[in-house]
Amino acid sequence: DVKVTQSSRYLVKRTGEKVFLECVQDMDHENMFWYRQDPGLGLRLIYFSYDVKMKEKGDIPEGYSVSREKKERFSLILESASTNQTSMYLCASRGQGTGANVLTFGAGSRLTVL
Amino acid sequence: AQTVTQSQPEMSVQEAETVTLSCTYDTSESDYYLFWYKQPPSRQMILVIRQEAYKQQNATENRFSVNFQKAAKSFSLKISDSQLGDAAMYFCAYRSGEGGGADGLTFGKGTHLIIQP
Repeated sequence: DVKVTQSSRYLVKRTGEKVFLECVQDMDHENMFWYRQDPGLGLRLIYFSYDVKMKEKGDIPEGYSVSREKKERFSLILESASTNQTSMYLCASRGQGTGANVLTFGAGSRLTVL
Repeated sequence: AQTVTQSQPEMSVQEAETVTLSCTYDTSESDYYLFWYKQPPSRQMILVIRQEAYKQQNATENRFSVNFQKAAKSFSLKISDSQLGDAAMYFCAYRSGEGGGADGLTFGKGTHLIIQP
C-alpha cells in the first residue's frame, strides 16, 4: 500500500513563528499536494509539485511556500504563522498519468497558531 | 474553473438503511474523473469510488454505487445497508482529464454522514 506520512499530527505554534510541515511518501510518486481543510469549506489546494524542485500554486498559496528537494518529500512552510492559518493540513501523492489515479492522503497535521 | 457542490452539509440514516449523498459539478470539459472520498473521525482520507466521465456505466464497489448523470452534471453516492463504520465526512471531487495530469482534485465542502444505531 502507498503510504503518505505526515511528521506531526498536532502542532501548536505562536504567531510569527516559522512552521514546517513535512510529508513523505514511499511509492515513488511524481506528484505531491498540500491541501488545507476547514469546516464548511472542504479541502482547498495550497501548492502541488509534479517533480523534484518543481512547484505550482494552487488555489490559496498566499502565506505559504513549499520545498521539494527529494522526490519522496514535500514540505509546506509557513514563513510567519498567523492565527488564520490555524487549520488541518493534508498531504497527498499520486503517480503520473492522466488516468483516474487515486490521490493517497496522509493522516493530516492539525496546526493551531496562538 | 471547475466547481463541486455538495448541497447536504449533514445527513442521518438508520443502520441497515440506504442513503444517497448528492453532488453536482460545473465544468466545460468533456473528459474528466469524479471521485467520492471518505474521511472517518480518525482523519485518514480514503477513496470510496471513482468514475470516468467517458464511461456510461455507473461505478459500484460493494455497498457503494454512484448515479452518474453526465448531462445533468450530477454524481450522487448511494450507500446500501448502512453500517456504523460508514459514519464519516464524505467528499465529492473532480479531476480534469485534460492537461499533463499533475493537477490536484477540486473538492466539494463535504457531507457529514451520521449512522443511527
